[in-house]
Amino acid sequence: KNEVEQSPQNLTAQEGEFITINCSYSVGISALHWLQQHPGGGIVSLFMLSSGKKKHGRLIATINIQEKHSSLHITASHPRDSAVYICAVMGKGAGSYQLTFGKGTKLSVIP
Amino acid sequence: EPEVTQTPSHQVTQMGQEVILRCVPISNHLYFYWYRQILGQKVEFLVSFYNNEISEKSEIFDDQFSVERPDGSNFTLKIRSTKLEDSAMYFCASRGEALYGYTFGSGTRLTVV
Repeated sequence: KNEVEQSPQNLTAQEGEFITINCSYSVGISALHWLQQHPGGGIVSLFMLSSGKKKHGRLIATINIQEKHSSLHITASHPRDSAVYICAVMGKGAGSYQLTFGKGTKLSVIP
Repeated sequence: EPEVTQTPSHQVTQMGQEVILRCVPISNHLYFYWYRQILGQKVEFLVSFYNNEISEKSEIFDDQFSVERPDGSNFTLKIRSTKLEDSAMYFCASRGEALYGYTFGSGTRLTVV
């Protein structure tokens, strides 16, 4: 069973700051998702990574498969980035590829 | 952009009642999932469904739960006799053949009283 740990659990930043959220997992995976959950509860997929780095606007996600670690970076943070960011991993091998989730990082960006 | 649609958005039910949560996955997707999130806790896998049958299920998914794809478009989760501890947000998700394209619905908040 994969254990997914995120840090920090809570993060408060000033608008404009560079933010990093970390995720580590215990067992090899086929892919890792970064998800965003707003107060209303809905989940939006930000990235899916199996290697390297991806960038979308001000968001950057990296993964190190050997170290079993991924980071999500937000550049020039904005109050609208305030949300819970969740790391979720997809297992290897044959199977339905269900996701195992971390507890999430609650980000608050203050103007 | 294609969406996964869930209804209702919020349901309140009496303990012991049956509830059916509904999902319309993205039309060309093949794999369907139900997850739940108890308030303040992490999201947990319940069940996956492929080719009209359950492919995997978690320990949470006991005999009180069932899933169905009755008409080729809807994907339902039934809880036969709800308990207080079933109160949670339930998310449906679907994906295509590739690992990309995992898409979540906006969730159904179930409150058992």
